[in-house]
Amino acid sequence: DSGVTQTPKHLITATGQRVTLRCSPRSGDLSVYWYQQSLDQGLQFLIQYYNGEERAKGNILERFSAQQFPDLHSELNLSSLELGDSALYFCASSGQGGGETQYFGPGTRLLVL
Amino acid sequence: QQQVKQSPQSLIVQKGGIPIINCAYENTAFDYFPWYQQFPGKGPALLIAIRPDVSEKKEGRFTISFNKSAKQFSLHIMDSQPGDSATYFCAARGGTYKYIFGTGTRLKVLA
Repeated sequence: DSGVTQTPKHLITATGQRVTLRCSPRSGDLSVYWYQQSLDQGLQFLIQYYNGEERAKGNILERFSAQQFPDLHSELNLSSLELGDSALYFCASSGQGGGETQYFGPGTRLLVL
Repeated sequence: QQQVKQSPQSLIVQKGGIPIINCAYENTAFDYFPWYQQFPGKGPALLIAIRPDVSEKKEGRFTISFNKSAKQFSLHIMDSQPGDSATYFCAARGGTYKYIFGTGTRLKVLA
């Protein structure tokens, strides 16, 4: 158990809908990272937050947004969902801004029908 | 330039064998190279990591070899066991805290 929690575990929704994925980092960790894992793309870095501020941005679509709240939990919002958004979404946390050791959560499996 | 190329895509070895997974990168600004192990239904877990000023790092049965001039690094698993069957990802960290992951290698160790 990494200490990172993600909810929900599974999510099934329809195209055009909007969903919110939630992540609680390990106690004391200030950085949260979001990744998308699909079969043909591997792990794609989406975005990083550090203590409430956006720190780095990867291949995150404009339809996706994220934020980190004062209690350090983070939410990833996916809107106008398309079939291709079906994937596993992982959250990871680390203690320092540079995040040498990232601890991954169990993931949220999203299926868009 | 932001890619990390990982090979092979899959690997099958006998118990006790030494699987080797290779990764190559282009961006010389990468400063940290971790390897992750992922079991089905779980998130990736850090296995071992290396910085570019070190040519080799060993932790238990896992060894990273790093060739800075060739911009390549590899993971060796000594005395592999069926319990090592998993997907392995290499990664590289850029100066702006972005992590670029390889596409993964699915390893199967036969009993």
